Amino acid sequence: GAGVSQSPSNKVTEKGKDVELRCDPISGHTALYWYRQSLGQGLEFLIYFQGNSAPDKSGLPSDRFSAERTGGSVSTLTIQRTQQEDSAVYLCASSPQGGAPTYQETQYFGPGTRLLVL
Amino acid sequence: AQSVTQPDIHITVSEGASLELRCNYSYGATPYLFWYVQSPGQGLQLLLKYFSGDTLVQGIKGFEAEFKRSQSSFNLRKPSVHWSDAAEYFCAVGAQGFSGNKLVFGAGTILRVKS
Repeated sequence: GAGVSQSPSNKVTEKGKDVELRCDPISGHTALYWYRQSLGQGLEFLIYFQGNSAPDKSGLPSDRFSAERTGGSVSTLTIQRTQQEDSAVYLCASSPQGGAPTYQETQYFGPGTRLLVL
Repeated sequence: AQSVTQPDIHITVSEGASLELRCNYSYGATPYLFWYVQSPGQGLQLLLKYFSGDTLVQGIKGFEAEFKRSQSSFNLRKPSVHWSDAAEYFCAVGAQGFSGNKLVFGAGTILRVKS
């Protein structure tokens, strides 16, 4: 079946603008994760959604970052008032969450959105 | 402190040579261990994972990894590297009390293959 898809694949924006990044998880996967991959910082966890539970936002770097997941499927990561340090690849992943704790599950990653803030 | 370490930022091997990528973690109990590979411009693909049982794990593309509790290591190996293996490799761990609902990734090792 189809894997995790993300859009846009590339985004160039000006400092101070807002951006929205979209993630479509694998059909049937109930757990969804956002990570950020940047030079010098590696892969950082941002936020985790599981079903209708409150998301784990512990990795969001500032209140300019927010995410939502509508209908338990598609997720949108929003960055307000973008800064140059927000330039990175934003990766989305999903996992089945078939009853096991999520840290035990294989996460399936999308190709990422490359964000460049000028 | 709890952490995941990949001590080698870059490794260069000749095509056909053997490969070992190192991964060490700091955690009191047995974590769940993963190796992912990322080709340029691509997302991460799972190579293999260890949860329990046999400490030598076989993965895709001819890779294997061995969990050594005494050394807190989960090194990735391949007996004969192909040019298509050039990519960045990430070790990741997940464990209750260590990472909550997420995986914690090492900094990655970039593999270059010379012909």
